[in-house]
Amino acid sequence: SAVISQKPSRDICQRGTSLTIQCQVDSQVTMMFWYRQQPGQSLTLIATANQGSEATYESGFVIDKFPISRPNLTFSTLTVSNMSPEDSSIYLCSVVGAGVDTEAFFGQGTRLTVV
Amino acid sequence: EDKVVQSPLSLVVHEGDTVTLNCSYEVTNFRSLLWYKQEKKAPTFLFMLTSSGIEKKSGRLSSILDKKELFSILNITATQTGDSAIYLCAAVFYNFNKFYFGSGTKLNVKP
Repeated sequence: SAVISQKPSRDICQRGTSLTIQCQVDSQVTMMFWYRQQPGQSLTLIATANQGSEATYESGFVIDKFPISRPNLTFSTLTVSNMSPEDSSIYLCSVVGAGVDTEAFFGQGTRLTVV
Repeated sequence: EDKVVQSPLSLVVHEGDTVTLNCSYEVTNFRSLLWYKQEKKAPTFLFMLTSSGIEKKSGRLSSILDKKELFSILNITATQTGDSAIYLCAAVFYNFNKFYFGSGTKLNVKP
C-alpha cells in the first residue's frame, strides 16, 4: 500500500487568492489524480497529474483555474486559483500503485473554505 | 456516457440490522469495481471486485460483482454505529487510468 501525505489538511482563504495543495507519496506510483468533493456530493475527478508533462483535465476543469504540477513520480501539487466561495470543497489526492489490480489510495484530504 | 449509480442515496437503520447497498455501472473498458468507506475526508478501501460471482468478505462486510447485469452489492450484517459513513463505489477503467465514482450511499446506524 501507499502512504500519502497531503497538506494542508484545511484552510480558510479569502476570495480572489490562490491555495496550493501538496501531495507526497512514500513510493513511486504510476497514476496520480486530483478530486474535488463538494458538500454532500461524491468525488469528481479534476485531472490526472502526469509526470513531467501537462495534466489531463476532465470536462469542466481548466488549467488556468487548477494548475497542477508533477515533477516526479512521488509528488504533485494542485493550485486552486482566484478562489470564490463556490470553490469551497474537500480536495483529495489519489494514487494508484505500480502493481497489477491495485486499488486507489487517498490522501487525508484538504478542506477548503473560501470566504 | 460512462456512469456509476448508487442506491439508495441514504439509509437509516438500527444496530443489528442488515443492509444492502447497490452500485450499477455503465463504463467502457471496465476492469474492476471498488468499494470505499468515507467517514471524514479520505475514503478507505474496502473491496476490489474483478471477477463476476465471487464473493469477497471482510468480517461483517461482503460484496459481489455481476458483470453480466453490470452491478455490485455491498452487504453489511449486524450493523453497528461505527458503520455510519458514506459508502462509495467506483468503476475502474481497464488500464487504471480512470476511476468513476458513484454518488455514494449515506448510511446512518442508530443505537
